[in-house]
Amino acid sequence: DVKVTQSSRYLVKRTGEKVFLECVQDMDHENMFWYRQDPGLGLRLIYFSYDVKMKEKGDIPEGYSVSREKKERFSLILESASTNQTSMYLCASNPGQTYEQYFGPGTRLTVT
Amino acid sequence: QKEVEQDPGPLSVPEGAIVSLNCTYSNSAFQYFMWYRQYSRKGPELLMYTYSSGNKEDGRFTAQVDKSSKYISLFIRDSQPSDSATYLCAMSAVGLGADGLTFGKGTHLIIQP
Repeated sequence: DVKVTQSSRYLVKRTGEKVFLECVQDMDHENMFWYRQDPGLGLRLIYFSYDVKMKEKGDIPEGYSVSREKKERFSLILESASTNQTSMYLCASNPGQTYEQYFGPGTRLTVT
Repeated sequence: QKEVEQDPGPLSVPEGAIVSLNCTYSNSAFQYFMWYRQYSRKGPELLMYTYSSGNKEDGRFTAQVDKSSKYISLFIRDSQPSDSATYLCAMSAVGLGADGLTFGKGTHLIIQP
């Protein structure tokens, strides 16, 4: 089974802190994605990566950056956390030959 | 333009009923259509996908795509309490998963025992 793991299920940070969200997949997938999920807004794509050291902006990249130094790991970085970044963050991966995206369990981030 | 409309519900039906979930979209470039199921406190998991127009059946689930109307549906027959979840439609214009998906907001479905 494909497994996508995220470093934390719940995280509480203060405004202005730098926040790292880590995602690891164990199936050698080419593509990895970061989404945020908010009530009434659904899932929105923040960034994605189709190869090591490659990244592409999604629909809402402002306030975020990403890093992919190894194929299995995709990190989302909040340079200076703000309260409007309180959300559920979901990581996903895709092997590149199918349409299915495999999701991790999510990290619920609260910024106070 | 990326826009997908989906009624958030909640949609509450008795066990055994046929459930119909729908999404409309505006981007005619979308060709790949998926339905994800998300249980509470879990990540979404793929339920079904279809390419272009037509029907696809898998057990109690049937997915329909009408590209001329820009309308997709998911039918659940003989609904069970374990089907209670949020159902998300998702779409892509680019094949092979190289692009992010565009999701609907999700419909919260409740199957009453």
